[in-house]
Amino acid sequence: SQQGEEDPQALSIQEGENATMNCSYKTSINNLQWYRQNSGRGLVHLILIRSNEREKHSGRLRVTLDTSKKSSSLLITASRAADTASYFCATDYGGATNKLIFGTGTLLAVQP
Amino acid sequence: DAMVIQNPRYQVTQFGKPVTLSCSQTLNHNVMYWYQQKSSQAPKLLFHYYDKDFNNEADTPDNFQSRRPNTSFCFLDIRSPGLGDAAMYLCATSRQGRMGTEAFFGQGTRLTVV
Repeated sequence: SQQGEEDPQALSIQEGENATMNCSYKTSINNLQWYRQNSGRGLVHLILIRSNEREKHSGRLRVTLDTSKKSSSLLITASRAADTASYFCATDYGGATNKLIFGTGTLLAVQP
Repeated sequence: DAMVIQNPRYQVTQFGKPVTLSCSQTLNHNVMYWYQQKSSQAPKLLFHYYDKDFNNEADTPDNFQSRRPNTSFCFLDIRSPGLGDAAMYLCATSRQGRMGTEAFFGQGTRLTVV
């Protein structure tokens, strides 16, 4: 299976703290993406980092990519209760078909 | 404005009775994906279309079929739903090129099999 692994599986923090989630994948990628999913809803794209990039920022989000280790991390700074959701990394393996494979996910709970 | 629309939001079907889920997009994206997501699990890719080319995942059961009659519409057909097929089904689209871009998801169809 090409599915990536995320850790931790679940994370509980207090409002204002930072949250870090890690993703590891198995083969070469075009890009890696992070998505957020509120309970019972569709996924929302957060940020995309290409294979030739090492770090990217978007608001309170910071993503790093280490292609030598086949890993990525998502940092959410100054978390809010509204950040409570599941977070998934997704790898685009490119090639002829550009399929997008999701990792196992991290369930983040931010306590007010 | 909704860009990827899935209908219906909730679908109840009987064991063994064929069911079709639909997805439409207003983004003119060339790639459309179907994912199955069971409770507390990651979305699992069933198949995707790159333009008109259909790409089936090796572990997608034969019970699942798909049609894409034009750029805007895509259908997921479950020929004989079993209890294990109860899940959220997610449709997504993207404009893919050499480096890829983000995917846009619909709100999903929650399928219940009774």
